[in-house]
Formats: sequence, C-alpha cells, structure tokens
Amino acid sequence: AQKVTQAQTEISVVEKEDVTLDCVYETRDTTYYLFWYKQPPSGELVFLIRRNSFDEQNEISGRYSWNFQKSTSSFNFTITASQVVDSAVYFCALAKAAGNKLTFGGGTRVLVKP
Amino acid sequence: EAGVVQSPRYKIIEKKQPVAFWCNPISGHNTLYWYLQNLGQGPELLIRYENEEAVDDSQLPKDRFSAERLKGVDSTLKIQPAELGDSAVYLCASSLDGSVYNEQFFGPGTRLTVL
Repeated sequence: AQKVTQAQTEISVVEKEDVTLDCVYETRDTTYYLFWYKQPPSGELVFLIRRNSFDEQNEISGRYSWNFQKSTSSFNFTITASQVVDSAVYFCALAKAAGNKLTFGGGTRVLVKP
Repeated sequence: EAGVVQSPRYKIIEKKQPVAFWCNPISGHNTLYWYLQNLGQGPELLIRYENEEAVDDSQLPKDRFSAERLKGVDSTLKIQPAELGDSAVYLCASSLDGSVYNEQFFGPGTRLTVL
C-alpha cells in the first residue's frame, strides 16, 4: 500500500521568509512518481511538479525548489522569499508507474503574513 | 482555454435526499476523475474514467454512490440517499489520457453540506 505523510498541518511565516514543507512517502514499488500540488482558496488544485523515482536531482523553478532524498523517502518543497500569494494548502502526492492514481498526503496550510 | 467546469459550486441538502454533481472536463481530455476531499485532508480518488469506461471504481461506495460518463465527455456523480458523513468537497479532474506523464487538471469542486 502507498502512503504519503505531511507532518506539518500549518505553517505561518512573515513575507520574505523561506518555508520548507516536508513530505515522507511509503511504497513498495521501485518505479513511482512524486508530485506537489497547490490548492489556493479558490479550490482548484494546481500542479507544481512531477518527479520519477530514478531522478534524484534537486530542482529549482523560480522561488520554488524541491529536494528528493530516496534514502529517507522524502520529497521536500521549499519556497524562498515567500509572498502573500503563496498562501495556500500544499499537497504532496505519490503515483505508481502504471495508471495515474494519485495518493495524496493530508496537506500543509501555508499562511504568509505581510 | 476553459478549465474543468463543475456545478453546482455549493449544495446544501437534508440527509436521505439525493444529490448530483456535474463535471465538464477540458476539451480533448479522455480521462476523467472524481475525488472526495474531506475537510483538512487530501483528495481521495472515487472513480476514474477512460472515455466512457470506468477503469477504477474500487473506492466508490456503490451502495449509495453512482457515476456515469455516457458520451465520454461530461460526467455526473450521484449520491442517493445522502448521509451526514457525505459532507465534503467533490473534485473533478481530467487529463489527456491515463498516463502518469499527463498532468491532472482540477476543477474548483462542489462543496456538499448534508444537514
């Protein structure tokens, strides 16, 4: 069975601070995919990134960066120099290689105060 | 390009009443998903369609929930009768096909309150 754990339920920061969201996953598959989604107050989940289990390179996209550590089954997400618009719930998710069934974590609510 | 459309956005009903949710996926997307999102939790897949065929409905409570996607485009999710525990947000998503390489695009959801 697959499982995703996001231990932080809510993080509050002041604008321009960095914030790191933790994600730990469990799977017996050797090939799998990891995702991060953002859910703003409007409700639609917005895709941020997909990573496959064979690519452990860290990735940076603007103020966003991701750290994939297979040895600790973690896929952490950092927002650098946070902005008020980053306030949302962020979900980490896991999928098998076959099919597109996402198993989501419980989400971390990020509140960025001006 | 229009995104995934869901209606209604909000629905309040009394328990034991029926309710239906509608989803119009992005044009050209063959795969459609219905998710249930309880308050403070991540979405959970209820059912996945490839065109008109339900290819994964293992998480759908079939005693009271049903879904259809008759022409392989729009889809309807129904609950009959609704129970208090069904209060949640029902999300619809679509993707080009069922490959994990194709991003799932989500609609805004329907928030159901059962009184």
